Amino acid sequence: QSALTQPASVSGSPGQSITISCTGTSNDVGDYNYVSWYQQHPGKAPKLMIYDVSDRPSGVSNRFSGSKSGNTASLTISGLQSEDEADYYCSSYTSSDTLVFGGGTKLTVL
Amino acid sequence: EVQLLESGGGLVQPGGSLRLSCAASGFTFSNYAMSWVRQAPGKGLEWVSGISGSGYTTYYADSVKGRFTISRDNSKNTLHLQMSSLRADDTAVYYCAKDIRNLDTFDIWGQGTLVTVSS
Repeated sequence: QSALTQPASVSGSPGQSITISCTGTSNDVGDYNYVSWYQQHPGKAPKLMIYDVSDRPSGVSNRFSGSKSGNTASLTISGLQSEDEADYYCSSYTSSDTLVFGGGTKLTVL
Repeated sequence: EVQLLESGGGLVQPGGSLRLSCAASGFTFSNYAMSWVRQAPGKGLEWVSGISGSGYTTYYADSVKGRFTISRDNSKNTLHLQMSSLRADDTAVYYCAKDIRNLDTFDIWGQGTLVTVSS
């Protein structure tokens, strides 16, 4: 199972919006709405930010939103803040009864 | 408070074995599927293995199939990962994670335990 494809890095200034893409195949992202996004700060465990493509867990800011079109899912962060600087990973359930992560995207807040 | 606490990591020689454990608290452990996710130094997340709430169904990534065994003891609220035939590329921080359903979304993560495979 190959990793989902994410850009290695994205950046934005405070207050701006950024979008991180996550491209899979018809065997994972394209066929299931079980796409999640995780935020990971250095030395910390990942934190769930979005699940089921666009749902937010309780306590996650509404500045975080998710969407999907075909084989590509996206995470959008609006009103960028310094504390958003972190690594972001997407994941998807697959037709092989496994789970696959994306390679990760480093978000830099300029 | 919902909490996961991993243990059992350490230094092991190539070809050796190690057993990781994850103690769960603050939720009804048997109601939820659980998984192990690892992260090699400076690398991304890799799902390793998952197990249903009952323990009857298990899932493995191709990279560990036949070498790792996931299990759980619902009477002790504990998840295990038995790792054998360890290789250098198994070196990673291993996280246990609680699923919200079955092998698709992890809402609670442990702090991780480091496994180093080296001679």
